[in-house]
Amino acid sequence: DTEVTQTPKHLVMGMTNKKSLKCEQHMGHRAMYWYKQKAKKPPELMFVYSYEKLSINESVPSRFSPECPNSSLLNLHLHALQPEDSALYLCASSRDRNSPLHFGNGTRLTVT
Amino acid sequence: GENVEQHPSTLSVQEGDSAVIKCTYSDSASNYFPWYKQELGKRPQLIIDIRSNVGEKKDQRIAVTLNKTAKHFSLHITETQPEDSAVYFCAASTSAWGGGSYIPTFGRGTSLIVHP
Repeated sequence: DTEVTQTPKHLVMGMTNKKSLKCEQHMGHRAMYWYKQKAKKPPELMFVYSYEKLSINESVPSRFSPECPNSSLLNLHLHALQPEDSALYLCASSRDRNSPLHFGNGTRLTVT
Repeated sequence: GENVEQHPSTLSVQEGDSAVIKCTYSDSASNYFPWYKQELGKRPQLIIDIRSNVGEKKDQRIAVTLNKTAKHFSLHITETQPEDSAVYFCAASTSAWGGGSYIPTFGRGTSLIVHP
């Protein structure tokens, strides 16, 4: 069981589709993250939302856009993705930026 | 940007042996160093962590040591078991994105294989 809930578990989408990944935590954590993980690679941080401020990895293309409706939710909107965007997308939360990361089970994304 | 280097990339041991994985970091302001274990097809999970005001921490068969002067920290697993087989990632809070913003940055991972 995980305290960070991600939906959906699997997603297959075409390059013209628009979809969203959802992430929710109820631990009262002040920081939430989106990571992208390719096979046999470490998680790569895409976005951080902490203390009402969004930080962005400048190497992440604009076809990925985060949304934080409230302190418990951090969604990731996907638009016009490319096949190379296929990966495991992991959401995580932590009490603050110097505390353990609690990961969700991830969304396995395939772009066709 | 700031890097977290991790070695080795693959480590193969016999059951009962010890395993050591090492990481180095470059930002002297980093002060939190967690280790995560990721089994195949699963999410990373914290196994142990250490803060910069401590030199060593132990939890049963797992220990972590930190040398702030040399900027390196290591994971030690004793009496390895087949269920220890997984990918292990070190991490450190680094200013990889600049602007004084600290983010958790992962090493490239070590695939540990424990042979029965």
